[in-house]
Amino acid sequence: AQSVAQPEDQVNVAEGNPLTVKCTYSVSGNPYLFWYVQYPNRGLQFLLKYITGDNLVKGSYGFEAEFNKSQTSFHLKKPSALVSDSALYFCAVRINSGYSTLTFGKGTMLLVSP
Amino acid sequence: GAVVSQHPSWVICKSGTSVKIECRSLDFQATTMFWYRQFPKQSLMLMATSNEGSKATYEQGVEKDKFLINHASLTLSTLTVTSAHPEDSSFYICSARVPGGFNEQFFGPGTRLTVL
Repeated sequence: AQSVAQPEDQVNVAEGNPLTVKCTYSVSGNPYLFWYVQYPNRGLQFLLKYITGDNLVKGSYGFEAEFNKSQTSFHLKKPSALVSDSALYFCAVRINSGYSTLTFGKGTMLLVSP
Repeated sequence: GAVVSQHPSWVICKSGTSVKIECRSLDFQATTMFWYRQFPKQSLMLMATSNEGSKATYEQGVEKDKFLINHASLTLSTLTVTSAHPEDSSFYICSARVPGGFNEQFFGPGTRLTVL
């Protein structure tokens, strides 16, 4: 079985400060890892993914994430937060074989204050 | 990039009626599509996996007769909520798997269903 944990329901950060949204995962095998963002009443927008290769992955809108195999983590980061980054963020995992399905974390609400 | 659309984006219906939601892959053929349900401020819950030309695979606890899924073509899957009740009110999101490569999923914009 595979699972994703996002330990924080909400993250608050001031505009211009760095932000981190945490994600840890559990899979039996090598993982594919994803971050998605969701704005109110919208579907999921893809931010970035880790498949293989460089542990530091750069994605859309200045976001990046670092794959840490020993800590089974894939934290989302951004050097300087914007008010417009305020949204719900989901981490997701699947194993890298066949037609496995995505498993999502419960989501973390990011609130960036002006 | 791959685009997935959903129609309608929102729907309000009376209790006891049926509602159909369409999910289309616009620029690729998707042999597999997924239907998710999301309650306010919660994560996505996979309801079923829809395979073109065959019966959908439902997750445990999801009523097959309540949520009818039809994947009649390589670009269209439909979810019909039959005899809808207020507790069926939710945000429904579909995704489509791009075949080949690492089988990435792309998500539709979601459909807000409100049952009065």
